[in-house]
Amino acid sequence: SQTIHQWPATLVQPVGSPLSLECTVEGTSNPNLYWYRQAAGRGLQLLFYSVGIGQISSEVPQNLSASRPQDRQFILSSKKLLLSDSGFYLCAWRSLGLAGGVGTDTQYFGPGTRLTVL
Amino acid sequence: SQKIEQNSEALNIQEGKTATLTCNYTNYSPAYLQWYRQDPGRGPVFLLLIRENEKEKRKERLKVTFDTTLKQSLFHITASQPADSATYLCALRPGSARQLTFGSGTQLTVLP
Repeated sequence: SQTIHQWPATLVQPVGSPLSLECTVEGTSNPNLYWYRQAAGRGLQLLFYSVGIGQISSEVPQNLSASRPQDRQFILSSKKLLLSDSGFYLCAWRSLGLAGGVGTDTQYFGPGTRLTVL
Repeated sequence: SQKIEQNSEALNIQEGKTATLTCNYTNYSPAYLQWYRQDPGRGPVFLLLIRENEKEKRKERLKVTFDTTLKQSLFHITASQPADSATYLCALRPGSARQLTFGSGTQLTVLP
């Protein structure tokens, strides 16, 4: 079966420090991968998605970047964190036709990383 | 602009009653709509998907309806239990877009 891992689970970082969050998926090959951010009491904001190694699409201009060095690894980075980068970061992979049926896609989320920038 | 709205940020109901959550969208023509459950500090979990040609779908105590004329989906939990307390998110993919768009969610609390 497929599993998705994220680490660390929680992180407290000072403003201006760098960031690296990692996400790995097991049990599937060539998945579409996603990074979302969820601010307190808010919905999911799509940050980046990737359809393959080295292929990154950015949904919103921001202080963050993403990389996909391996098929099942997705990394979210920042060179200098801002206070506004605080939030709950979620990685997800997309399943085609698995749970929803033929011709549909559903997303499977990791456990998330709670980032607090002070 | 394209929008997804969920009826209220928070909904409190008594145990045993039916909870009804609403998801409205504008300027989309989705082929299907999805519902997810999110517990505090956890990632969302997929619950149900309903296609545009389906009026209703059920899974155990859950029922979802989809009205493409009203551009609305209703999510019902019958015989609600305190364990159903969570935030529920709807999501859809605009026909021309490659990615899912999520609503901001409704936080449901079932009171014992």
